[in-house]
Amino acid sequence: RKEVEQDPGPFNVPEGATVAFNCTYSNSASQSFFWYRQDCRKEPKLLMSVYSSGNEDGRFTAQLNRASQYISLLIRDSKLSDSATYLCVVLGGSNYKLTFGKGTLLTVNP
Amino acid sequence: DAGVIQSPRHEVTEMGQEVTLRCKPISGHNSLFWYRQTMMRGLELLIYFNNNVPIDDSGMPEDRFSAKMPNASFSTLKIQPSEPRDSAVYFCASSTLGNTIYFGEGSWLTVV
Repeated sequence: RKEVEQDPGPFNVPEGATVAFNCTYSNSASQSFFWYRQDCRKEPKLLMSVYSSGNEDGRFTAQLNRASQYISLLIRDSKLSDSATYLCVVLGGSNYKLTFGKGTLLTVNP
Repeated sequence: DAGVIQSPRHEVTEMGQEVTLRCKPISGHNSLFWYRQTMMRGLELLIYFNNNVPIDDSGMPEDRFSAKMPNASFSTLKIQPSEPRDSAVYFCASSTLGNTIYFGEGSWLTVV
Protein backbone atom coordinates (compact mmCIF):
# COMPACT_ATOMS: atom_id res chain seq x y z
CA ARG A 1 0.00 0.00 0.00
CA LYS A 2 1.35 3.44 -0.90
CA GLU A 3 2.11 5.77 1.97
CA VAL A 4 -0.39 8.35 0.78
CA GLU A 5 -2.88 7.53 -1.93
CA GLN A 6 -5.29 9.88 -3.67
CA ASP A 7 -7.89 9.54 -6.35
CA PRO A 8 -5.91 10.88 -9.33
CA GLY A 9 -8.90 12.37 -11.12
CA PRO A 10 -9.06 14.46 -13.16
CA PHE A 11 -12.27 16.00 -11.92
CA ASN A 12 -14.12 18.26 -14.33
CA VAL A 13 -17.05 20.04 -12.72
CA PRO A 14 -19.27 23.02 -13.56
CA GLU A 15 -19.16 26.19 -11.53
CA GLY A 16 -21.25 25.90 -8.42
CA ALA A 17 -20.80 22.16 -8.08
CA THR A 18 -19.75 20.39 -4.92
CA VAL A 19 -16.70 18.18 -5.26
CA ALA A 20 -15.03 15.81 -2.82
CA PHE A 21 -11.49 14.48 -2.76
CA ASN A 22 -10.40 11.44 -0.83
CA CYS A 23 -7.06 10.32 0.50
CA THR A 24 -5.84 7.29 2.45
CA TYR A 25 -2.59 6.86 4.35
CA SER A 26 -0.78 3.74 5.46
CA ASN A 27 1.07 4.80 8.61
CA SER A 28 -1.29 4.57 11.56
CA ALA A 29 1.19 6.59 13.65
CA SER A 30 0.82 9.62 11.38
CA GLN A 31 0.47 12.76 13.41
CA SER A 32 -0.73 15.63 11.26
CA PHE A 33 -2.58 16.04 8.03
CA PHE A 34 -2.87 18.80 5.48
CA TRP A 35 -4.30 19.71 2.13
CA TYR A 36 -2.07 21.68 -0.19
CA ARG A 37 -3.05 23.33 -3.45
CA GLN A 38 -0.78 23.58 -6.45
CA ASP A 39 -1.53 25.79 -9.43
CA CYS A 40 -0.09 24.98 -12.82
CA ARG A 41 3.67 25.63 -12.90
CA LYS A 42 3.65 26.94 -9.35
CA GLU A 43 4.78 25.66 -5.98
CA PRO A 44 2.42 23.85 -3.58
CA LYS A 45 0.81 26.08 -0.98
CA LEU A 46 -1.00 25.16 2.21
CA LEU A 47 -4.77 25.16 1.78
CA MET A 48 -5.73 23.93 5.23
CA SER A 49 -4.73 21.64 8.05
CA VAL A 50 -6.99 18.72 8.90
CA TYR A 51 -8.08 18.23 12.49
CA SER A 52 -9.61 15.18 14.12
CA SER A 53 -12.87 16.99 14.76
CA GLY A 54 -13.09 18.17 11.16
CA ASN A 55 -12.70 21.77 10.18
CA GLU A 56 -14.18 24.26 7.81
CA ASP A 57 -12.77 27.31 6.07
CA GLY A 58 -15.40 29.06 4.00
CA ARG A 59 -16.38 26.76 1.16
CA PHE A 60 -13.79 24.16 2.15
CA THR A 61 -14.35 21.38 4.67
CA ALA A 62 -11.72 18.85 5.72
CA GLN A 63 -12.40 15.62 7.57
CA LEU A 64 -10.15 13.04 9.20
CA ASN A 65 -11.06 9.47 10.09
CA ARG A 66 -8.16 7.97 12.02
CA ALA A 67 -9.78 4.55 12.37
CA SER A 68 -10.05 4.21 8.59
CA GLN A 69 -6.87 6.22 7.92
CA TYR A 70 -8.82 8.42 5.58
CA ILE A 71 -8.84 12.16 4.87
CA SER A 72 -11.27 14.11 2.75
CA LEU A 73 -11.67 17.59 1.32
CA LEU A 74 -15.03 18.96 0.27
CA ILE A 75 -15.36 22.08 -1.88
CA ARG A 76 -18.81 23.63 -2.07
CA ASP A 77 -20.02 26.12 -4.67
CA SER A 78 -16.87 25.64 -6.71
CA LYS A 79 -15.37 28.63 -8.51
CA LEU A 80 -13.28 28.84 -11.66
CA SER A 81 -10.38 29.89 -9.43
CA ASP A 82 -10.55 26.58 -7.58
CA SER A 83 -9.04 24.87 -10.63
CA ALA A 84 -5.76 23.40 -9.42
CA THR A 85 -4.17 20.19 -8.19
CA TYR A 86 -5.03 19.28 -4.60
CA LEU A 87 -2.38 17.40 -2.65
CA CYS A 88 -3.01 15.31 0.43
CA VAL A 89 -0.11 15.53 2.87
CA VAL A 90 0.67 13.39 5.89
CA LEU A 91 3.20 14.03 8.64
CA GLY A 92 4.26 10.85 10.32
CA GLY A 93 6.93 8.92 12.06
CA SER A 94 9.58 9.84 14.57
CA ASN A 95 11.51 11.75 11.93
CA TYR A 96 8.65 14.13 11.14
CA LYS A 97 8.61 13.11 7.51
CA LEU A 98 6.04 14.85 5.29
CA THR A 99 4.69 12.64 2.55
CA PHE A 100 2.65 13.99 -0.34
CA GLY A 101 0.06 12.20 -2.37
CA LYS A 102 0.33 12.51 -6.16
CA GLY A 103 -2.51 14.99 -6.22
CA THR A 104 -5.95 15.27 -7.74
CA LEU A 105 -6.45 17.64 -10.65
CA LEU A 106 -9.61 19.72 -10.52
CA THR A 107 -10.92 21.78 -13.40
CA VAL A 108 -13.95 23.96 -12.79
CA ASN A 109 -15.71 24.87 -16.02
CA PRO A 110 -17.89 27.91 -16.71
CA ASP B 1 8.63 38.69 4.50
CA ALA B 2 10.92 36.81 2.17
CA GLY B 3 9.85 33.28 1.45
CA VAL B 4 12.04 30.35 0.49
CA ILE B 5 14.40 31.53 -2.22
CA GLN B 6 15.69 29.14 -4.86
CA SER B 7 18.13 29.57 -7.70
CA PRO B 8 18.36 29.13 -10.56
CA ARG B 9 14.70 29.26 -11.52
CA HIS B 10 15.37 27.56 -14.82
CA GLU B 11 18.36 25.61 -16.07
CA VAL B 12 19.01 23.74 -19.26
CA THR B 13 22.18 21.70 -19.29
CA GLU B 14 23.81 18.94 -21.27
CA MET B 15 24.00 15.39 -20.08
CA GLY B 16 27.12 14.80 -18.02
CA GLN B 17 27.36 18.33 -16.68
CA GLU B 18 27.26 19.19 -13.00
CA VAL B 19 24.14 20.94 -11.75
CA THR B 20 23.99 22.88 -8.49
CA LEU B 21 20.67 24.09 -7.11
CA ARG B 22 20.61 26.55 -4.25
CA CYS B 23 18.16 27.34 -1.50
CA LYS B 24 17.79 29.95 1.20
CA PRO B 25 15.14 28.90 3.74
CA ILE B 26 12.85 31.24 5.62
CA SER B 27 14.72 32.86 8.49
CA GLY B 28 14.04 31.07 11.77
CA HIS B 29 12.99 27.80 10.15
CA ASN B 30 15.09 24.88 11.34
CA SER B 31 13.91 22.21 8.91
CA LEU B 32 14.77 22.22 5.22
CA PHE B 33 13.49 19.85 2.57
CA TRP B 34 14.44 19.07 -1.01
CA TYR B 35 11.65 17.64 -3.18
CA ARG B 36 11.58 16.58 -6.81
CA GLN B 37 8.38 16.68 -8.86
CA THR B 38 7.65 14.92 -12.12
CA MET B 39 4.41 14.05 -13.85
CA MET B 40 5.02 10.34 -13.41
CA ARG B 41 6.11 10.23 -9.79
CA GLY B 42 4.58 13.34 -8.24
CA LEU B 43 6.36 15.07 -5.38
CA GLU B 44 9.16 12.97 -3.93
CA LEU B 45 11.13 13.87 -0.83
CA LEU B 46 14.82 13.62 -1.63
CA ILE B 47 16.34 14.67 1.67
CA TYR B 48 15.60 16.78 4.67
CA PHE B 49 17.68 18.55 7.27
CA ASN B 50 16.89 19.52 10.80
CA ASN B 51 19.18 22.11 12.40
CA ASN B 52 21.51 21.70 9.40
CA VAL B 53 21.89 17.94 9.98
CA PRO B 54 20.60 15.47 7.35
CA ILE B 55 17.84 13.42 8.99
CA ASP B 56 16.47 11.35 6.14
CA ASP B 57 18.21 10.98 2.78
CA SER B 58 16.48 7.76 1.78
CA GLY B 59 14.87 9.52 -1.15
CA MET B 60 18.13 10.53 -2.80
CA PRO B 61 18.03 8.49 -6.00
CA GLU B 62 21.69 7.55 -6.29
CA ASP B 63 25.23 8.61 -5.68
CA ARG B 64 25.04 11.24 -8.38
CA PHE B 65 22.91 13.31 -6.01
CA SER B 66 24.31 15.06 -2.97
CA ALA B 67 22.98 17.74 -0.66
CA LYS B 68 24.63 19.98 1.89
CA MET B 69 23.52 22.51 4.43
CA PRO B 70 26.62 24.31 5.67
CA ASN B 71 24.61 26.78 7.76
CA ALA B 72 21.05 27.65 8.74
CA SER B 73 20.51 29.97 5.80
CA PHE B 74 21.83 27.99 2.84
CA SER B 75 21.56 24.59 1.22
CA THR B 76 22.66 23.08 -2.07
CA LEU B 77 21.53 20.08 -4.07
CA LYS B 78 24.11 18.85 -6.54
CA ILE B 79 23.76 16.42 -9.41
CA GLN B 80 26.97 15.13 -10.94
CA PRO B 81 26.92 13.92 -13.64
CA SER B 82 23.43 14.92 -14.75
CA GLU B 83 21.27 12.68 -16.93
CA PRO B 84 18.14 13.38 -18.99
CA ARG B 85 16.01 11.43 -16.47
CA ASP B 86 16.93 14.03 -13.85
CA SER B 87 14.78 16.57 -15.69
CA ALA B 88 12.17 17.71 -13.18
CA VAL B 89 11.16 20.58 -10.95
CA TYR B 90 13.21 20.66 -7.76
CA PHE B 91 11.53 22.34 -4.82
CA CYS B 92 13.16 23.47 -1.64
CA ALA B 93 10.92 23.96 1.38
CA SER B 94 11.38 24.97 4.98
CA SER B 95 9.49 24.84 8.25
CA THR B 96 9.80 24.76 11.98
CA LEU B 97 9.77 21.13 13.04
CA GLY B 98 6.39 19.48 12.57
CA ASN B 99 4.66 22.61 11.32
CA THR B 100 3.51 23.91 7.95
CA ILE B 101 6.15 23.78 5.29
CA TYR B 102 6.60 26.57 2.80
CA PHE B 103 7.92 25.93 -0.67
CA GLY B 104 10.16 27.97 -2.89
CA GLU B 105 9.12 28.62 -6.46
CA GLY B 106 11.17 25.69 -7.69
CA SER B 107 14.11 25.15 -10.00
CA TRP B 108 13.05 23.82 -13.41
CA LEU B 109 15.81 21.57 -14.66
CA THR B 110 16.08 20.21 -18.18
CA VAL B 111 18.96 17.89 -19.03
CA VAL B 112 19.38 17.33 -22.75
